[in-house]
Amino acid sequence: QKEVEQDPGPLSVPEGAIVSLNCTYSNSAFQYFMWYRQYSRKGPELLMYTYSSGNKEDGRFTAQVDKSSKYISLFIRDSQPSDSATYLCAMSGGGYQKVTFGTGTKLQVIP
Amino acid sequence: EAGVAQSPRYKIIEKRQSVAFWCNPISGHATLYWYQQILGQGPKLLIQFQNNGVVDDSQLPKDRFSAERLKGVDSTLKIQPAKLEDSAVYLCASSPLAGGPGTQYFGPGTRLTVL
Repeated sequence: QKEVEQDPGPLSVPEGAIVSLNCTYSNSAFQYFMWYRQYSRKGPELLMYTYSSGNKEDGRFTAQVDKSSKYISLFIRDSQPSDSATYLCAMSGGGYQKVTFGTGTKLQVIP
Repeated sequence: EAGVAQSPRYKIIEKRQSVAFWCNPISGHATLYWYQQILGQGPKLLIQFQNNGVVDDSQLPKDRFSAERLKGVDSTLKIQPAKLEDSAVYLCASSPLAGGPGTQYFGPGTRLTVL
């Protein structure tokens, strides 16, 4: 079993839709949870960064962490064609512990 | 502020040849990471440096991969000899000394094709 599981998609939605992206994990030591966006032929860029359980909102993006279920989500409201990219979840125990990435979900927002 | 620079952007080699990648992190960032991203997968950490010391190289295939970070700034990653399964994007990232897991900034990557 992989430490981090993420549905690879692809996920195709119409412009303006609410998008839900999810990851599950098995390592209970994970305390830091990140979502990265990666455009084609580019490096990942950090979207959201949360510590422990709870919700965090930034504009059209909301990240949720449920440590009891080992489940994290990223919601994108009013999705735009410019949101078309691969979304990677990532997590770490903190300190110098390495960051473990999911496989990424490819999202396409259709105008 | 300039981002993480990597070169070359693309490289095509034959199996059993050698190849080297270069990374220049964001100025002042003490921690530097090399990741391997195989098509359809997430990045996998190969090696992490803090200044010029190695923090984690547990997933680096040391029989063929080597990395160094001279003077705690630039870094090179070398593969010798390359195998077909080394075809991937090699990403470099850097973060500040006091930065947490979510403070990594990634470069554009080097896309390696091994024929």
